[in-house]
Amino acid sequence: AQSVTQPDIHITVSEGASLELRCNYSYGATPYLFWYVQSPGQGLQLLLKYFSGDTLVQGIKGFEAEFKRSQSSFNLRKPSVHWSDAAEYFCADRSGGGSYIPTFGRGTSLIVHP
Amino acid sequence: DVKVTQSSRYLVKRTGEKVFLECVQDMDHENMFWYRQDPGLGLRLIYFSYDVKMKEKGDIPEGYSVSREKKERFSLILESASTNQTSMYLCASSYDRGRGSPLHFGNGTRLTVT
Repeated sequence: AQSVTQPDIHITVSEGASLELRCNYSYGATPYLFWYVQSPGQGLQLLLKYFSGDTLVQGIKGFEAEFKRSQSSFNLRKPSVHWSDAAEYFCADRSGGGSYIPTFGRGTSLIVHP
Repeated sequence: DVKVTQSSRYLVKRTGEKVFLECVQDMDHENMFWYRQDPGLGLRLIYFSYDVKMKEKGDIPEGYSVSREKKERFSLILESASTNQTSMYLCASSYDRGRGSPLHFGNGTRLTVT
C-alpha cells in the first residue's frame, strides 16, 4: 500500500526566512503528488500538484515544490516566509489504490516567529 | 471556484443521539469524501462515494454511515454518537476518480459529543 511520510511534525521559522517542508512517498510507479495548506479553523486548500514534466512546480502563495524520483521526495519550499503562512501543511499522493483514493501524510505544523 | 459547503461549523451533541453532517458541492463533481481529523493522526478516510447512490468504506467506517441521493450532496450519519467521535469532520469533492484530480475541501465541522 502506498504511504506518504512527512518527517517533521512541527517546523519553526522566523518571518523572512526560507522554508522547506519534507515529504516522501512510497508508491513505485508515477506518483500524482499534491501539497495542501490548512489555515486554523479552515479546510484544506490546494497549493500545487505534480504529475509529470518539469520537476520544479510552482504553486499559489509563492510556494514551489521539487520532485526527486531518486529520493522519493516532493519537498515544499518558499524563499521568504510571511507570518500568514503559519498553518498545517499536508502532502498527498493519489497514484495508488483501486479507486485512486488520496493518501495523506500526517501533516507538518508551521510556526512563524516575528 | 469550486465551493464545498458544510452545513455546520460547530455542533454539540449528546451521547446516543443520531447526528447528520451535511455537505454540498456546486461543481457537479463525481467523487465525494468524508474525513475525520484528529491531532497527531492526520486525515483519516471514513467513507467516499464516486457516484450517486454509490458508497465505499474508507479506513475507519465503524459507527458511521453515509447517504448520497443527489450528486451534489453527501451526508455523514452517526447512528448513535459516542464521545470518541468528537472530532473535526472534513468533506471533500473531486471532479472524478482520476489520479490527477485534486480534492476540494469544505471548512469542516467541529463536532463535540458530550
